[in-house]
Formats: sequence, structure tokens, C-alpha cells
Amino acid sequence: DQQVKQNSPSLSVQEGRISILNCDYTNSMFDYFLWYKKYPAEGPTFLISISSIKDKNEDGRFTVFLNKSAKHLSLHIVPSQPGDSAVYFCAAMNDYKLSFGAGTTVTVRA
Amino acid sequence: SAVISQKPSRDICQRGTSLTIQCQVDSQVTMMFWYRQQPGQSLTLIATANQGSEATYESGFVIDKFPISRPNLTFSTLTVSNMSPEDSSIYLCSVRTSFSYEQYFGPGTRLTVT
Repeated sequence: DQQVKQNSPSLSVQEGRISILNCDYTNSMFDYFLWYKKYPAEGPTFLISISSIKDKNEDGRFTVFLNKSAKHLSLHIVPSQPGDSAVYFCAAMNDYKLSFGAGTTVTVRA
Repeated sequence: SAVISQKPSRDICQRGTSLTIQCQVDSQVTMMFWYRQQPGQSLTLIATANQGSEATYESGFVIDKFPISRPNLTFSTLTVSNMSPEDSSIYLCSVRTSFSYEQYFGPGTRLTVT
């Protein structure tokens, strides 16, 4: 049973515009959420995280929003750059174990 | 964050054989994990590698198939035993330090079983 879902397999965005990636989860025991970026032939790279006691965390161009009541989080990338083209994974933590979504492939168009 | 290396980076193996993957971290870490990413799939946790004791396996993964060692705080191995084509995946090591919740990943080992 997939506890973390990324329902959009792909996203195409123009350079300089905002990229919004969405993630839904079903397990209310998740208490920490992370976003990872993955290029082909490389391991996932940690991007940004948020604790379940917060609703927003910002780090440079990346902002993560958490809506606990809706069991939904999103990652905003502003402005999008060509180097942002990659697969983005949402992950949720319960008792140090991570559950991952299926990933969203982001393509930034020049 | 920690710098993580894995060996080999890729391999092609025949069915029925075994492959041992090494994971080396540049600093002592509290927790080490092994994940699998099957083609077109997301990452799935195989087990938590415990220093000096048996690994803790997730549902669907057993020690006979995926024996794991962790002799110290910077090194772990995962063996994929009696391989079949269904074991063709990327195998990833990850670590967590005592200072944060984040997990950091190695570059992965791409395994193809023929």
C-alpha cells in the first residue's frame, strides 16, 4: 500500500517561472517530511525538509508547505532554472524510516 | 552532510550468483540503511544496518536473500544472494547522523542480472 503519493509523474515549466510539486500521504504517524532531487545515474540529493509541527520551511529558491489536516505537502521552486531538471521525490518519516513517493520528473524549458 | 561512496557502481551478473555491495562513509554515522529502486519504481527500504548486530529487515526482505554487515560506524555491505533477473535494480546506501533527521544517499549500485 503506497503511503506517499506523487500523482503527477511529470511537470514541464518555463525557465524563470515557478515549479510546484505536490505530494499526499495517508499515514498520520509521519512526523517529518523531506524532498529529494535525483539526476540519472546518481543517488538522491537532499533538498529541504519540514517537521510536522511547522507549516512552511524556506531555503533559498525552495519552499516546502505542509497542510497536516489535508495530509498534503508541496515544494515550490522559484525561479526555476535549467539545472532543476531532474526527478523529485517526496519522502515521509515515521520512527526514522522513510517512505518515498513515485517521483515527479521536472523539465525546465529555456 | 556525509560523503558516501559505493562499490561497485554497476555490475552485470548471471542468475544464481551473488554480489556484495560496499558502502563507505567519510565520518561516523549513527544509522545506515539499504534501499532498492527497481526500474520505473520508487525507493524501497530493504533494511537498517545495525553496528555489531543483525540488521533489521523490512517486510518482504529476508536475511538469507540480503545479508548485511556493519562492522563499524563508517562501513556496511549488502549482499544480493542467488540472484534472479527480478533483482535487477539500483541499490542505494543511505546514512543518518545524530545531528539531524535527514538521510543522505550514496551514488547507488546499478545491478543487472541476466
